[in-house]
Formats: sequence, structure tokens, C-alpha cells
Amino acid sequence: EVQLLESGGGLVQPGGSLRLSCAASGFTFRHYAMSWVRQAPGKGLEWVSIISVSGGDTYYADSVKGRFTISRDNSKNTLYLQMNSLRAEDTAVYYCAKVWVPAGYDAFDIWGQGTMVTVSS
Amino acid sequence: DIQMTQSPSSLSASVGDRVTITCRASQGISNYLAWYQQKPGKVPKLVIYAASTLQSGVPSRFSGSGSGTDFTLTISSLQPEDVATYYCQKYNSVPLTFGGGTKVEIK
Repeated sequence: EVQLLESGGGLVQPGGSLRLSCAASGFTFRHYAMSWVRQAPGKGLEWVSIISVSGGDTYYADSVKGRFTISRDNSKNTLYLQMNSLRAEDTAVYYCAKVWVPAGYDAFDIWGQGTMVTVSS
Repeated sequence: DIQMTQSPSSLSASVGDRVTITCRASQGISNYLAWYQQKPGKVPKLVIYAASTLQSGVPSRFSGSGSGTDFTLTISSLQPEDVATYYCQKYNSVPLTFGGGTKVEIK
């Protein structure tokens, strides 16, 4: 079964840091670009970041550029999101998502269950 | 950056009604558009990609159309299990922007 399982969420103070992980199983992880999408409470979906199959290309939403870093370890089938200088507006459920076509950037066919990040003092 | 605007933001229709949701891109994106369904408390699910291709396992009452800047998602006969918020997303280039969502309810 294809599965994505996020972890690492929690409560953090403004200005703090958190690292999210997304463990992938059931597919050849190293063949697919991966992404992070977030959803603030009661709000819509917001694309956060995407990483290429090799990890050599990364892209970010303007709202997180310079503060968040996406990375992947293909030997561990795991995607990461390092979040620094966190703000209250970063409070959201963070989903990892798999791009459905090998190697390219496309729609997201598999989503994790999400991990909640709360930024508050 | 290209903006994605969905309309309406919410709608209420009867079981069996034909429902149409619109997504407009501020610049042309060819057919690089996906639609997602998010049921209350659940994870988003891919419904349509490449503007009009139905994802495997999605009921045939769902269809998508459009190219360039104007796109539609149609549910030909609304069912109770279709209650959800629907989002469009562009993926021709980064940022991979989502529309604001359309909440579909049963009247």
C-alpha cells in the first residue's frame, strides 16, 4: 500500500524551529518529486515547497522562502521540512504529498495524514 | 505569480443536481490544472488532472474541462458523498498555487 506518514509537528514558540519528517512506503520514493502543502485551521490549501527526485532542485512559496528548507534522503525514503523563524501564521496542518508522475512536477496523487504545527507563546 | 480564482466560494444544491465549479487563472496555464476533493476532516484527494483526466477510482459523474485560463469541474448528478470542499491547483510552473476552494453542500 502506498503510504506517507508525517511526524514532527507540535507546539513551538514564535521564532522557534521544528523539523517535519514524512516517511514514504509502497512506491519507489527516489523516482518521484515530493512536496509540502499546509492548511491553516478553517482555511484553504497552501502550497509550501517542492523538491526534485535527486534533491538538487527545490522551490518555495514566498511566504516561507528563506525560513523553510525542504530536503530528502532517498536511502531512507524520507522527506523533510526544516522550519526556522516560525511565526503565528505558520500554524497549520502540514501535509506531504507525492507527485503522481515520475521525475516531473505535476499533480499530487498521494497525501499523508498531516501533522499539526502550532506556533504560539 | 499566477493567481487562481475559484467561484463560487460555496454552493448548496439538491441531490441529483448538476453542479459546476469554475477556476480561473490570471495567465494561461495550458491544461496544467488539477482538482482535489477534501471531505470534512479528511485529507485532500486528487479527482482530476491535466484539466480533464479523471483520476483512477473517481466516479464518472465528475468531469473537468478547460484550457488556458478558464476551467470547470462538473458533478453531473450530485450525491450526498460529494459534500466536500473542492480546490483547483495549477502546476505548469512554481509556485504550484491552489484556488481558494469551493464548499459544496446538500440543500
